[in-house]
Amino acid sequence: EPEVTQTPSHQVTQMGQEVILRCVPISNHLYFYWYRQILGQKVEFLVSFYNNEISEKSEIFDDQFSVERPDGSNFTLKIRSTKLEDSAMYFCASSYPIGTSGESAKNIQYFGAGTRLSVL
Amino acid sequence: GQSLEQPSEVTAVEGAIVQINCTYQTSGFYGLSWYQQHDGGAPTFLSYNALDGLEETGRFSSFLSRSDSYGYLLLQELQMKDSASYFCAVPNTGGFKTIFGAGTRLFVKA
Repeated sequence: EPEVTQTPSHQVTQMGQEVILRCVPISNHLYFYWYRQILGQKVEFLVSFYNNEISEKSEIFDDQFSVERPDGSNFTLKIRSTKLEDSAMYFCASSYPIGTSGESAKNIQYFGAGTRLSVL
Repeated sequence: GQSLEQPSEVTAVEGAIVQINCTYQTSGFYGLSWYQQHDGGAPTFLSYNALDGLEETGRFSSFLSRSDSYGYLLLQELQMKDSASYFCAVPNTGGFKTIFGAGTRLFVKA
């Protein structure tokens, strides 16, 4: 069964450093997402990406964050200068475009296993 | 804006039925999704309702009442492995942004 893969599973970094979190979405999906989950809290939307551009972003996704699809398979989240409060689990997800039938009608998002980011 | 409310935790015994409620406020409504997340795991899709009524998928069912801005997830024949967090979620029109509720932690006891 196809799956979303994320690397690394755990990233430890010093405050102020740049990190890049990597994701390989499911190959025939066209919508890509990043979410953040602080331990014990809810899943928070960060950004969505479609047709090589950001479709929507939340207030969390400030100038320190950027996303890129550098090639046909990878989707990355960069945090330019990490802060202590960026420590969280980061999930990548992908989906078909919203449609009117089948799986497309349900906006099913497939999540990767996540990258745990620890900022020291 | 969009917001969702669900109970923070629910406890039930193995074999029982449990209902997890979700009320939402959205500027536009496209549908209500439910995701399951085990500790340390990723959210996985369970169910989706775009129209009023009940959707059944095995032991899990989901209900929606758009007039009441309310839905619920029904889990039957509870098993220990159902102990997890359950999130309701709403996508905005176009599906570009999905807002998750705070999650309901389900504890299943023997």
